[in-house]
Amino acid sequence: RKEVEQDPGPFNVPEGATVAFNCTYSNSASQSFFWYRQDCRKEPKLLMSVYSSGNEDGRFTAQLNRASQYISLLIRDSKLSDSATYLCVVKNGGFKTIFGAGTRLFVKA
Amino acid sequence: GAVVSQHPSRVICKSGTSVKIECRSLDFQATTMFWYRQFPKQSLMLMATSNEGSKATYEQGVEKDKFLINHASLTLSTLTVTSAHPEDSSFYICSAQPGTGDYGYTFGSGTRLTVV
Repeated sequence: RKEVEQDPGPFNVPEGATVAFNCTYSNSASQSFFWYRQDCRKEPKLLMSVYSSGNEDGRFTAQLNRASQYISLLIRDSKLSDSATYLCVVKNGGFKTIFGAGTRLFVKA
Repeated sequence: GAVVSQHPSRVICKSGTSVKIECRSLDFQATTMFWYRQFPKQSLMLMATSNEGSKATYEQGVEKDKFLINHASLTLSTLTVTSAHPEDSSFYICSAQPGTGDYGYTFGSGTRLTVV
């Protein structure tokens, strides 16, 4: 089993739609969680950290369920510019950081 | 915000030659930097952790004699792909963490290596 698993995608949604991505992690001792966005042939960029209480940044909402070892990202009112690959990232003790394989999102007009 | 500069952004080299990739933290000191490799449509895979003033720590399956890492200063880490072969063609990305705590990592812009 992979340490971090994500919905394979791709997700094809119309503009304005709400879309949710899921991610599970296997190490119960994982400490920090992030969502990154990666555009084609570019480096990943931090989208948001994920906190235990859940957090929101504009149209983006991230949630963490430690009991189920589950992270989610919700995007509301999708824009064309949201089209990218979304990476679930889990940081274990020390510097060990594990990337999910990514979920591709295509938002269409 | 914190910036990590990586270059070259793209390099094409002949099989058997060596290629050096530089990663610099521009406005912060990084005692630790990370080198990743990403093949098309795959996730980033950590290759090694670069430690300033000491030897790098390599992930299982990564040949340390092939991927030489030097972290001689608090702002510069280099990755040298020695005797490159076509199967080494990939997207190489470095990253560092500004500050401590639960902060995300800042990535360099990546180097696309093509070995012909």
